[in-house]
Amino acid sequence: QKEVEQNSGPLSVPEGAIASLNCTYSDRVSQSFFWYRQYSGKSPELIMSIYSNGDKEDGRFTAQLNKASQYVSLLIRDSQPSDSATYLCAVNVPSSNTGKLIFGQGTTLQVKP
Amino acid sequence: NAGVMQNPRHLVRRRGQEARLRCSPMKGHSHVYWYRQLPEEGLKFMVYLQKENIIDESGMPKERFSAEFPKEGPSILRIQQVVRGDSAAYFCASSKTTEAYEQYFGPGTRLTVT
Repeated sequence: QKEVEQNSGPLSVPEGAIASLNCTYSDRVSQSFFWYRQYSGKSPELIMSIYSNGDKEDGRFTAQLNKASQYVSLLIRDSQPSDSATYLCAVNVPSSNTGKLIFGQGTTLQVKP
Repeated sequence: NAGVMQNPRHLVRRRGQEARLRCSPMKGHSHVYWYRQLPEEGLKFMVYLQKENIIDESGMPKERFSAEFPKEGPSILRIQQVVRGDSAAYFCASSKTTEAYEQYFGPGTRLTVT
């Protein structure tokens, strides 16, 4: 089992719709969770961090965390073509005690005008 | 611009040569991480450093790869005797502390080995 799993997609949504991206992780004691956006040929950009169960909202983005189910998701409301990118889920490795992040393979999102 | 800086942005080396990749963390950040992204693969952790110390090198290949973060100057990732399989994007990230683990990435160095 991979440590962090994401559906590679592509996930295709029409402009203005809600895009829902999902991620599961295997290490039950993980404490910190991140979503990065990566455009083709560019570097990852941190868009959300979440540490507690529940929802965290920032503009059009909402991160949701359920530690019991070992599940974290990212919702993008009012999706725009400029949101088309690969979204990477990252989880810290608590056993390492060094801030090392484990990344999923990423989900490619396509927002169609 | 107070972001993470990396240079060079693109580096071409022939097999057997050495590659040196540089990273300057964001202002106020003292924790540096190196990650590698192979074509069609995810980001993989390589090494975590603080000034003058390697804290975690569990992701570094055992041979040919080394990293440093001297008291003065940028962090350096060094690859000796490069092989075609080293062709990848190498990203540096920095964080202010390890407590929140929020890491910000530089633009990356694209290494091509011919």
